[in-house]
Amino acid sequence: QVQLVQSGAEVKKPGSSVKVSCKTSGGTFSTQTITWVRQAPGQGPEWMGRIVPILGTVNFAQKFQGRGTITADRSTSTAYMELNNLRSDDTAVYYCANAFGVAAPRNWGQGTLVIVSS
Amino acid sequence: DIAMTQTPLSLSVTPGQPASISCKSSQSLLDSDGKTYLYWYLQRPGQAPQLLMYEVSKRFSGVSERFSGSGSGTDFTLKISRVEAEDVGVYYCMQAIELPLTFGGGTRVDIK
Repeated sequence: QVQLVQSGAEVKKPGSSVKVSCKTSGGTFSTQTITWVRQAPGQGPEWMGRIVPILGTVNFAQKFQGRGTITADRSTSTAYMELNNLRSDDTAVYYCANAFGVAAPRNWGQGTLVIVSS
Repeated sequence: DIAMTQTPLSLSVTPGQPASISCKSSQSLLDSDGKTYLYWYLQRPGQAPQLLMYEVSKRFSGVSERFSGSGSGTDFTLKISRVEAEDVGVYYCMQAIELPLTFGGGTRVDIK
């Protein structure tokens, strides 16, 4: 079973950036799709984007295009999600997951809390 | 984007009794490959969501046989045959036929 371990909680100022890491084990990283989902306090999950490491393909939900970046380091089996120009409504728990097919989350990381506050 | 609508918003169930959650999509989730890309997740309190069902009716590894999924096209149902205390949490349906993936609003299940 694939396991995903994410980096720790972050507190950021509005306008700054955050980079969340997601280290995978127990599977073949390159052939997996890694998908990112966030969940604001009291809200449902929201899909952000995905990366297919073997292809280098990245897709983002439209609301994050221009502000988000997803990368993958195949040498360490680690994916990264960076979000720029943070706003208070970016406060959320950010999850990575390996995916079924196109992008459907399968096994989830434990989540990374990002708080954006002045 | 495909809209996903779940009902009811919440359920309070006596242990051992069945429960049913409905999910409707704004367009068909049947793909040209013959598969229907509807998923169900359970988020227990304080935990990450976990996959229960994929492609409508296939149970993910380790998921109890008490859970079953059905439906086609735009209308889907998750059923729990006999609710147990460990089933408490929020259930979400999600479509994966096209990007962006979209989730239903969630159904909170608790125990009476």
